[in-house]
Formats: sequence, C-alpha cells, structure tokens
Amino acid sequence: QKEVEQDPGPLSVPEGAIVSLNCTYSNSAFQYFMWYRQYSRKGPELLMYTYSSGNKEDGRFTAQVDKSSKYISLFIRDSQPSDSATYLCAMRNVRNTGNQFYFGTGTSLTVIP
Amino acid sequence: KAGVTQTPRYLIKTRGQQVTLSCSPISGHRSVSWYQQTPGQGLQFLFEYFSETQRNKGNFPGRFSGRQFSNSRSEMNVSTLELGDSALYLCASSPLIGTANSPLHFGNGTRLTVT
Repeated sequence: QKEVEQDPGPLSVPEGAIVSLNCTYSNSAFQYFMWYRQYSRKGPELLMYTYSSGNKEDGRFTAQVDKSSKYISLFIRDSQPSDSATYLCAMRNVRNTGNQFYFGTGTSLTVIP
Repeated sequence: KAGVTQTPRYLIKTRGQQVTLSCSPISGHRSVSWYQQTPGQGLQFLFEYFSETQRNKGNFPGRFSGRQFSNSRSEMNVSTLELGDSALYLCASSPLIGTANSPLHFGNGTRLTVT
C-alpha cells in the first residue's frame, strides 16, 4: 500500500464548477501538506501548503486537512479552462529532519469551456 | 527572482551509458532535492543535499548518485542506464531543511529517454 493515495481521475468539469480533489494517507506522522499543479511538459508548481488541520484559503483555492481521518482536500471555486492540469498532493513527516516529501500520483483535471 | 533551472531539458541515451543532469536552485536556497517522475509511480524521492552534504536518500540503486557544490548547484548522475530509468527527473530547491516553512520549488525537469 502506498503511503499517499490519490484518485488519478481523469476528472472533467464545466467552466465555473466547484472542483474537489482528495488524497488519503496512512502515516499519522505526516503533518505538513502541500498541493501542486503540473501543466504538461512543466514541473510542479506550488499552490498551497499548510501545517495544521482545518482550512486555508487563497483566492479560488481552499486546502482542507482532516488529520483524524488522514484525509486532505483541495477545492477550486469558479474553475477556469486554465485550471486544466494535473494536481499533486504532497506531505512530509515532521520527524524527518530533511525535506523528503511523499507525493500522490496526481489527479488529471480538465475544465471544459 | 529566477526559478529552478535544469539542464538539459531532453536527453536520449542508450542502455549501458551514463548521464549527468544539472540543477541550479533559486538564489539563496541551500537545499536541493531530486525526484523521479513516471506515469505509474508518480514522484519518487531520490536524494537531498544541504550545504554540500547528502542528508537523505530514497530507495534507489547505487547507480543513482549526486553531489552539491559550494554555490548550491547540484548534479545527478545515473550510470549503466536501464530502460526503466526513462523518466522525468525533477530538481527542487528550498531555502531551509526540515522546517515547516520549506516547501519545495521545482524546475521543469529533464526528460530522459533510454533506448
């Protein structure tokens, strides 16, 4: 079993829809969470990061962490065609003194105009 | 501020050859990590360097090695290439190591194809 599980999709939504992307994890020592967006032929781009349970909002994006359920989500409001990309969740074990992160395999999102 | 720069962008090599990939981190960033990305496995951690010292290593064979220079630039080397080494190799930098405020900033990767 992988430490981080993410539904690969693909996910296809109409422009303006609310998108929900999710990851589950098995290691309770994971306490630092990030979401990345990756366009084709590009490297992952950091969208959001959080170090605690609860919600964090940044523009149209909201990251949600539920440590009791070992479940994290990324919500995209008013989705745009430019949001079409692969979304990766990532997390770090705070007991690790380094910067090794564990990634989900990514969810492919297409926003249809 | 310039982002993480990786060279070359594309490489085609033959089985048995070796290859060296280069990474220049964001100015001021002292930690450099390397990841391998494949469609089936996603991003897998290779190793991490901070202040010219390898701090962490993932579960990859010894054919994969790296180093970091005093200016924080890093190189990754793969010897005796195998077909399964075909992947996107991503370099990421961060200002610090092991703290909550050290997210990774990625370059656009080097696409390696082994034939």
